[in-house]
Amino acid sequence: QSVLTQPPSVSGAPGQRVTISCTGSSSNIGAGYDVHWYQQLPGTAPKLLIYGNINRPSGVPDRISGSKSGTSASLAITGLQAEDEANYYCQSYDSSLSGWVFGGGTKLTVL
Amino acid sequence: EVQLVESGGGLVQPGGSLRLSCAASGFTFSSYSMNWVRQAPGKGLEWVSYISSSSSTIYYADSVKGRFTISRDNAKNSLYLQMNSLRAEDTAVYYCARTILWFGELLSYYFDYWGQGTLVTVSS
Repeated sequence: QSVLTQPPSVSGAPGQRVTISCTGSSSNIGAGYDVHWYQQLPGTAPKLLIYGNINRPSGVPDRISGSKSGTSASLAITGLQAEDEANYYCQSYDSSLSGWVFGGGTKLTVL
Repeated sequence: EVQLVESGGGLVQPGGSLRLSCAASGFTFSSYSMNWVRQAPGKGLEWVSYISSSSSTIYYADSVKGRFTISRDNAKNSLYLQMNSLRAEDTAVYYCARTILWFGELLSYYFDYWGQGTLVTVSS
Protein backbone atom coordinates (compact mmCIF):
# COMPACT_ATOMS: atom_id res chain seq x y z
CA GLN A 1 0.00 0.00 0.00
CA SER A 2 0.92 3.63 -0.47
CA VAL A 3 2.77 5.71 2.12
CA LEU A 4 0.14 8.43 1.76
CA THR A 5 -3.46 7.27 2.24
CA GLN A 6 -6.30 8.54 0.05
CA PRO A 7 -9.89 7.33 -0.23
CA PRO A 8 -10.23 5.11 -3.33
CA SER A 9 -13.24 7.04 -4.57
CA VAL A 10 -15.42 10.08 -3.98
CA SER A 11 -18.44 11.34 -5.86
CA GLY A 12 -20.69 14.35 -6.12
CA ALA A 13 -23.37 15.88 -8.26
CA PRO A 14 -22.67 18.78 -10.61
CA GLY A 15 -22.35 22.02 -8.68
CA GLN A 16 -21.57 20.30 -5.38
CA ARG A 17 -18.39 20.39 -3.30
CA VAL A 18 -16.17 17.41 -2.69
CA THR A 19 -12.99 16.94 -0.67
CA ILE A 20 -10.22 14.38 -1.03
CA SER A 21 -8.06 13.62 1.97
CA CYS A 22 -4.41 12.60 2.04
CA THR A 23 -3.12 11.17 5.30
CA GLY A 24 0.58 10.73 6.00
CA SER A 25 2.82 10.33 9.02
CA SER A 26 5.58 11.97 11.03
CA SER A 27 8.17 11.14 8.37
CA ASN A 28 6.43 12.95 5.54
CA ILE A 29 3.52 15.40 5.87
CA GLY A 30 3.82 15.54 9.65
CA ALA A 31 7.54 16.28 9.40
CA GLY A 32 6.74 19.50 7.55
CA TYR A 33 7.10 18.43 3.93
CA ASP A 34 4.56 20.16 1.73
CA VAL A 35 1.88 18.35 -0.25
CA HIS A 36 1.30 18.66 -3.97
CA TRP A 37 -1.71 17.44 -5.95
CA TYR A 38 -2.08 16.08 -9.47
CA GLN A 39 -5.07 15.41 -11.70
CA GLN A 40 -4.96 12.54 -14.16
CA LEU A 41 -7.69 12.40 -16.78
CA PRO A 42 -8.32 8.97 -18.33
CA GLY A 43 -5.54 7.95 -20.68
CA THR A 44 -3.44 11.05 -20.09
CA ALA A 45 -0.38 12.08 -18.09
CA PRO A 46 -0.75 13.62 -14.64
CA LYS A 47 -1.15 17.38 -14.47
CA LEU A 48 -0.04 19.58 -11.58
CA LEU A 49 -3.09 20.94 -9.75
CA ILE A 50 -1.81 22.31 -6.42
CA TYR A 51 1.76 22.88 -5.20
CA GLY A 52 3.03 23.83 -1.77
CA ASN A 53 -0.23 22.78 -0.08
CA ILE A 54 -2.32 25.71 -1.28
CA ASN A 55 -0.93 27.22 -4.48
CA ARG A 56 -2.52 26.88 -7.91
CA PRO A 57 -0.49 26.98 -11.13
CA SER A 58 -1.76 29.41 -13.71
CA GLY A 59 -4.75 28.01 -15.53
CA VAL A 60 -6.12 26.04 -12.59
CA PRO A 61 -9.50 27.54 -11.58
CA ASP A 62 -9.97 28.97 -8.10
CA ARG A 63 -12.79 26.53 -7.37
CA ILE A 64 -9.95 24.09 -6.69
CA SER A 65 -8.12 24.57 -3.40
CA GLY A 66 -5.74 22.76 -1.08
CA SER A 67 -5.01 22.75 2.63
CA LYS A 68 -2.72 21.02 5.09
CA SER A 69 -2.92 20.38 8.82
CA GLY A 70 -0.74 18.14 10.93
CA THR A 71 -0.17 14.83 9.19
CA SER A 72 -2.92 15.34 6.60
CA ALA A 73 -3.83 17.43 3.59
CA SER A 74 -7.01 17.95 1.62
CA LEU A 75 -8.03 18.90 -1.88
CA ALA A 76 -11.38 20.63 -2.30
CA ILE A 77 -13.30 21.10 -5.53
CA THR A 78 -16.39 23.30 -5.51
CA GLY A 79 -18.92 23.77 -8.28
CA LEU A 80 -18.28 20.27 -9.59
CA GLN A 81 -18.24 19.92 -13.35
CA ALA A 82 -18.26 16.85 -15.59
CA GLU A 83 -14.71 17.70 -16.69
CA ASP A 84 -13.50 17.18 -13.10
CA GLU A 85 -14.06 13.44 -13.39
CA ALA A 86 -10.53 12.07 -13.05
CA ASN A 87 -8.06 10.44 -10.69
CA TYR A 88 -6.37 12.69 -8.14
CA TYR A 89 -3.03 12.02 -6.44
CA CYS A 90 -1.30 13.69 -3.52
CA GLN A 91 2.50 13.73 -3.32
CA SER A 92 5.08 14.59 -0.69
CA TYR A 93 8.57 13.60 0.44
CA ASP A 94 9.37 10.95 3.02
CA SER A 95 12.53 11.30 5.09
CA SER A 96 12.50 7.66 6.23
CA LEU A 97 12.36 6.39 2.66
CA SER A 98 14.55 9.21 1.32
CA GLY A 99 12.28 9.57 -1.64
CA TRP A 100 9.16 11.10 -3.10
CA VAL A 101 5.88 9.42 -2.25
CA PHE A 102 2.40 9.45 -3.74
CA GLY A 103 -1.01 8.63 -2.41
CA GLY A 104 -2.81 5.66 -3.93
CA GLY A 105 -5.08 7.95 -5.89
CA THR A 106 -8.75 8.89 -5.63
CA LYS A 107 -11.23 8.45 -8.44
CA LEU A 108 -13.68 11.34 -8.58
CA THR A 109 -17.01 10.54 -10.18
CA VAL A 110 -19.39 13.33 -11.15
CA LEU A 111 -22.87 11.88 -10.83
CA GLU B 1 5.91 25.57 -24.65
CA VAL B 2 7.42 22.94 -22.38
CA GLN B 3 7.47 19.52 -24.02
CA LEU B 4 8.71 16.19 -22.73
CA VAL B 5 8.59 13.23 -25.09
CA GLU B 6 9.48 9.75 -23.87
CA SER B 7 10.53 6.89 -26.11
CA GLY B 8 12.16 3.49 -25.92
CA GLY B 9 9.41 1.47 -24.30
CA GLY B 10 8.34 -1.93 -25.55
CA LEU B 11 8.04 -5.62 -24.77
CA VAL B 12 11.03 -7.25 -23.08
CA GLN B 13 11.55 -10.64 -21.46
CA PRO B 14 12.21 -10.99 -17.73
CA GLY B 15 15.89 -10.40 -17.04
CA GLY B 16 16.24 -8.23 -20.12
CA SER B 17 17.23 -4.61 -20.55
CA LEU B 18 15.71 -1.49 -22.01
CA ARG B 19 16.82 2.14 -22.28
CA LEU B 20 14.23 4.88 -22.08
CA SER B 21 14.79 8.40 -23.38
CA CYS B 22 13.04 11.68 -22.69
CA ALA B 23 13.54 14.55 -25.13
CA ALA B 24 12.98 17.97 -23.60
CA SER B 25 12.19 21.24 -25.34
CA GLY B 26 10.72 24.65 -24.62
CA PHE B 27 12.84 25.34 -21.53
CA THR B 28 16.46 25.44 -20.40
CA PHE B 29 16.88 21.74 -19.70
CA SER B 30 20.26 22.13 -17.99
CA SER B 31 18.70 24.28 -15.26
CA TYR B 32 16.21 21.72 -13.99
CA SER B 33 16.31 18.52 -12.00
CA MET B 34 14.35 15.66 -13.56
CA ASN B 35 12.59 12.56 -12.37
CA TRP B 36 11.18 9.31 -13.69
CA VAL B 37 7.79 8.24 -12.33
CA ARG B 38 5.99 5.06 -13.33
CA GLN B 39 2.43 3.78 -13.25
CA ALA B 40 1.60 0.09 -13.42
CA PRO B 41 -1.57 -0.76 -15.40
CA GLY B 42 -4.61 0.31 -13.41
CA LYS B 43 -2.45 1.39 -10.46
CA GLY B 44 -1.19 4.59 -8.89
CA LEU B 45 1.95 6.64 -9.39
CA GLU B 46 5.34 5.47 -8.12
CA TRP B 47 8.48 7.60 -8.02
CA VAL B 48 11.44 5.82 -9.64
CA SER B 49 14.51 8.06 -9.83
CA TYR B 50 15.81 11.63 -9.50
CA ILE B 51 18.75 13.42 -11.11
CA SER B 52 19.90 16.94 -10.38
CA SER B 53 20.54 19.49 -13.12
CA SER B 54 24.29 18.79 -13.20
CA SER B 55 23.96 15.03 -12.57
CA SER B 56 25.82 15.49 -9.29
CA THR B 57 22.98 14.08 -7.20
CA ILE B 58 21.05 10.93 -8.04
CA TYR B 59 18.46 9.00 -6.06
CA TYR B 60 16.57 5.76 -6.68
CA ALA B 61 13.55 4.09 -5.19
CA ASP B 62 14.46 0.92 -3.31
CA SER B 63 12.42 -1.10 -5.81
CA VAL B 64 14.84 -0.27 -8.65
CA LYS B 65 18.12 0.41 -6.86
CA GLY B 66 20.98 -1.58 -8.35
CA ARG B 67 19.03 -2.35 -11.52
CA PHE B 68 18.17 1.03 -13.02
CA THR B 69 20.51 3.90 -13.90
CA ILE B 70 19.37 7.46 -14.54
CA SER B 71 21.47 9.84 -16.61
CA ARG B 72 21.16 12.98 -18.69
CA ASP B 73 22.90 14.77 -21.53
CA ASN B 74 22.35 18.50 -21.18
CA ALA B 75 23.91 19.16 -24.57
CA LYS B 76 21.23 16.99 -26.15
CA ASN B 77 18.41 18.12 -23.84
CA SER B 78 17.78 14.49 -23.00
CA LEU B 79 17.08 12.34 -19.96
CA TYR B 80 17.64 8.59 -19.88
CA LEU B 81 16.74 5.56 -17.81
CA GLN B 82 18.77 2.38 -18.32
CA MET B 83 16.75 -0.53 -16.99
CA ASN B 84 18.49 -3.88 -16.44
CA SER B 85 17.37 -7.19 -14.87
CA LEU B 86 13.78 -6.30 -15.63
CA ARG B 87 11.00 -8.04 -13.73
CA ALA B 88 7.30 -8.49 -14.38
CA GLU B 89 6.57 -5.94 -11.65
CA ASP B 90 8.45 -3.29 -13.65
CA THR B 91 5.65 -3.34 -16.22
CA ALA B 92 4.32 0.21 -16.29
CA VAL B 93 4.00 3.45 -18.17
CA TYR B 94 7.16 5.44 -17.46
CA TYR B 95 6.87 9.22 -17.31
CA CYS B 96 9.65 11.77 -17.22
CA ALA B 97 8.78 14.83 -15.18
CA ARG B 98 10.38 18.24 -14.78
CA THR B 99 11.12 18.95 -11.14
CA ILE B 100 10.73 22.17 -9.22
CA LEU B 101 12.48 22.85 -5.92
CA TRP B 102 9.94 24.23 -3.47
CA PHE B 103 10.91 26.32 -0.44
CA GLY B 104 8.14 25.45 2.02
CA GLU B 105 8.59 24.64 5.70
CA LEU B 106 11.14 22.13 4.48
CA LEU B 107 12.75 21.92 1.06
CA SER B 108 10.76 19.66 -1.21
CA TYR B 109 10.14 19.06 -4.88
CA TYR B 110 7.12 18.81 -7.11
CA PHE B 111 6.66 17.84 -10.73
CA ASP B 112 5.30 20.63 -12.88
CA TYR B 113 5.43 19.10 -16.37
CA TRP B 114 5.08 15.48 -17.40
CA GLY B 115 5.63 13.67 -20.68
CA GLN B 116 2.96 11.48 -22.25
CA GLY B 117 4.71 8.33 -21.04
CA THR B 118 6.14 5.22 -22.65
CA LEU B 119 4.87 1.71 -21.90
CA VAL B 120 7.29 -0.96 -20.74
CA THR B 121 5.96 -4.51 -20.68
CA VAL B 122 8.06 -7.24 -19.08
CA SER B 123 6.72 -10.64 -20.07
CA SER B 124 7.83 -13.92 -21.56
